Order: sequence, then structure tokens, then C-alpha cells
Amino acid sequence: ILNVEQSPQSLHVQEGDSTNFTCSFPSSNFYALHWYRWETAKSPEALFVMTLNGDEKKKGRISATLNTKEGYSYLYIKGSQPEDSATYLCAGAGGGNKLTFGTGTQLKVEL
Amino acid sequence: EAGVAQSPRYKIIEKRQSVAFWCNPISGHATLYWYQQILGQGPKLLIQFQNNGVVDDSQLPKDRFSAERLKGVDSTLKIQPAKLEDSAVYLCASGGSGGELFFGEGSRLTVL
Repeated sequence: ILNVEQSPQSLHVQEGDSTNFTCSFPSSNFYALHWYRWETAKSPEALFVMTLNGDEKKKGRISATLNTKEGYSYLYIKGSQPEDSATYLCAGAGGGNKLTFGTGTQLKVEL
Repeated sequence: EAGVAQSPRYKIIEKRQSVAFWCNPISGHATLYWYQQILGQGPKLLIQFQNNGVVDDSQLPKDRFSAERLKGVDSTLKIQPAKLEDSAVYLCASGGSGGELFFGEGSRLTVL
């Protein structure tokens, strides 16, 4: 999968705000869509792997949806906390689980 | 369960010098990946191994980069000679059963 795009590039929110990011990808040759969270000085951590159109997944205050027909995924964070500050990466997977990453959305949650 | 181990965490070298990075994946993971993440860009796949065989190295600059995974366990990525544009974080990852990748903390390379 080529040309995975994420928006916005960066985001500053206040503690308690809800926020969402977008990942767009070519809908052809799609196999799976991954979301990762990468905190500074730590290793990227998998949040979700989604494969089916209409998939919705949730982990605590974070959830994600997938639309493979129109080629986008949304990541939502409800009630942002300072510990949510990180770069959120999405990646499209083609055959053989070869991932193409977007450039990420850098989230800063301020008190 | 131990995570993906990488070393060194940081390396500063002069251009034209060589450098090597080491990765030990999660035990039992057959697939191992090396990614290069340049500041402001997303991680780019350099090479993917399945056990000790190469699955994809189409984006590996083979004139200066090499990687091996002897015995299908740990792996080494080498750059020789390094260029300024090789300054990046080199991430190693191994593949889980659900398709997700488990990453190490990365090796940050600065080429002066």
C-alpha cells in the first residue's frame, strides 16, 4: 500500500477534550490498517489492527473505525489526558504484512 | 514476556564511518523488520525477514546498507559508509500472531 496520509500533523488540546485524527489510504490492495502510539523515548505500541469494512475497536478511552471502501480510518480519544501525549501512527498493510506508515499525528495534551 | 531488544540506543559517528545495530526479537516471532524513521517522516521499511530468509529488501540502499538474521533469531543492520542523510532512528520490530508489530525502543543515529 502506498501513500498513507494522516491529518492533522499536530494537535494541541486541553485535558478533558475529546479529539480525533484521520488516516487515509488507497482502498485498492488493502489488507489491514494498523494504529500505533509512540511516546517519546519509548517504543511504538500497537493500538489496533483492523481488517473489515465497518470495523470499530476500542481500548479504554481510545477507539477507531475503518472504512475500506472510501479508504479512511478515524482514531478517537475521549477525555484526553496528559499521558495521551504521543505521536499516533497509522499504517496500511498489503500482502505479506508489509506496512506503509503515515507521517503521524503529534498530540500534546495540556493541563 | 521480554520485548524487542535493540542496541545501541544512541550512536554518533562521522560521515564515511561504519555502524552496526543489533536486534533481538520476541521469542518465537518468525518475522523481523528493520525500519528507518527520519525526523518528520513516517517509518520506512528497510528489510523484512521471515525466519532467516529475506522477504522484502526493495527499499534497502544495498550499496551501503546490509542486514542479516543468522539462525532466524537476532539480527544486525550495518551501514558502511554512513552519509549525513542516514541520520535517523532505526527501529526493529517483530511480528505477532494478530499481525501487529512489536517494536524495540530504536537506535538513534547521528551522522556528523
